[in-house]
Amino acid sequence: AQSVSQHNHHVILSEAASLELGCNYSYGGTVNLFWYVQYPGQHLQLLLKYFSGDPLVKGIKGFEAEFIKSKFSFNLRKPSVQWSDTAEYFCAVIPAYSGAGSYQLTFGKGTKLSVIP
Amino acid sequence: GAGVSQSPSNKVTEKGKDVELRCDPISGHTALYWYRQSLGQGLEFLIYFQGNSAPDKSGLPSDRFSAERTGGSVSTLTIQRTQQEDSAVYLCASSLRGGNQPQHFGDGTRLSIL
Repeated sequence: AQSVSQHNHHVILSEAASLELGCNYSYGGTVNLFWYVQYPGQHLQLLLKYFSGDPLVKGIKGFEAEFIKSKFSFNLRKPSVQWSDTAEYFCAVIPAYSGAGSYQLTFGKGTKLSVIP
Repeated sequence: GAGVSQSPSNKVTEKGKDVELRCDPISGHTALYWYRQSLGQGLEFLIYFQGNSAPDKSGLPSDRFSAERTGGSVSTLTIQRTQQEDSAVYLCASSLRGGNQPQHFGDGTRLSIL
């Protein structure tokens, strides 16, 4: 079974600071990777995804993530955060094969980001 | 277009009562998922429906939990004889088809067991 670890429980940044949220996963095969964001009072939204190809993927709102297969990592980055980025961020993985269990997203416990104006 | 709709948004009930949580997926999505988010925990997979196939119930924590999906659309998650540890946010998601397609989430139902 796969597992996901997010290193930071709560990150506090000032506006314009750079952001990097760590995500490592454990799984014996190929995975698809996701970052979801949950703004206060809103539902989980897909921020970006990696299935294959260029390991540097760009998502909405200026976010990007880099898949490093050798490190089993999929860190989320943003060069300059805004107050509106205050939210909880979840990394998730899913097996890349088709078949039993291939649809079960496994989430990390989330990282709360607070951006101070 | 309309997203995944869940009701009620909040439910408070006494220990031992049964509760029903409803999910209306995005129109045209054949796959439907239930997850649970407990305080301090990540999201935990509960059950998966895909078309007319038998659901994958492997994530249900006990036999007090059951779910059905009628007509390939709306789903109901039922918790019988609720316990305090059932308190959580129950999230429903749907995707265009099964497999590893991106899942779209509803707002969730916050369940509180007194």
